[in-house]
Amino acid sequence: DVVMTQSPLSLPVTLGQPASISCRSSQSLVRSDGKTFLNWFQQRPGQSPRRLIYQVSNRDSGVPDRFSGSGSGTDFTLKISRVEAEDVGVYYCMQGTYGGTFGQGTKVEIK
Amino acid sequence: EVQLVESGGGLVQPGESLRLSCAASGFTFSTYWMIWVRQTPWKGLEWVANIKSDGSAKNYVDSVKGRFTISRDNAKNSLYLQMNSLRVEDTAVYYCASDPNSDLHYWGQGTLVTVSS
Repeated sequence: DVVMTQSPLSLPVTLGQPASISCRSSQSLVRSDGKTFLNWFQQRPGQSPRRLIYQVSNRDSGVPDRFSGSGSGTDFTLKISRVEAEDVGVYYCMQGTYGGTFGQGTKVEIK
Repeated sequence: EVQLVESGGGLVQPGESLRLSCAASGFTFSTYWMIWVRQTPWKGLEWVANIKSDGSAKNYVDSVKGRFTISRDNAKNSLYLQMNSLRVEDTAVYYCASDPNSDLHYWGQGTLVTVSS
């Protein structure tokens, strides 16, 4: 089974400052056709998860451009260029190459 | 407007069964893989199962294999999760969602399943 490991698990950030979350998979997420199914989700308190990024770096419709995804193979990163108050919540990476597996989640809070 | 509405959750005793339903509207349900995901405060999000658009392929997380069955009825735009031999550790909020690997992706609001004696 593919294990997804996120770091850090808690991320206090200052408004207007950048933030970065790392996600590592226990094996390469590149599928035989060359596609990599690594997604990022945001879950605000009391809400269902919402996908932000799919296939490593594609932003979903309506997602602010301060969110960006990058990486390849087994190492991936979600970056927020300037954190806003509405970004508070838990962020999950998820691989969809082999069934599905979520990371443990990273709680983003304002300092 | 896209909607995924789960139903069927509730309180059951260990060993009992429950069937969850997810009614889809606002998108072409029959062309999407669908998934079930569950969430607990102590384990976070857990991918449970997925099913191909035509129902011909299904995958499960190891912890539910042999106990849970995912299915769909494209004529009714509905997704199901039959849960048998429920355990205390199956207690969670269960979400249905469309394929997270596709360009369009949606989640329901979740339904709570509590397994307790």
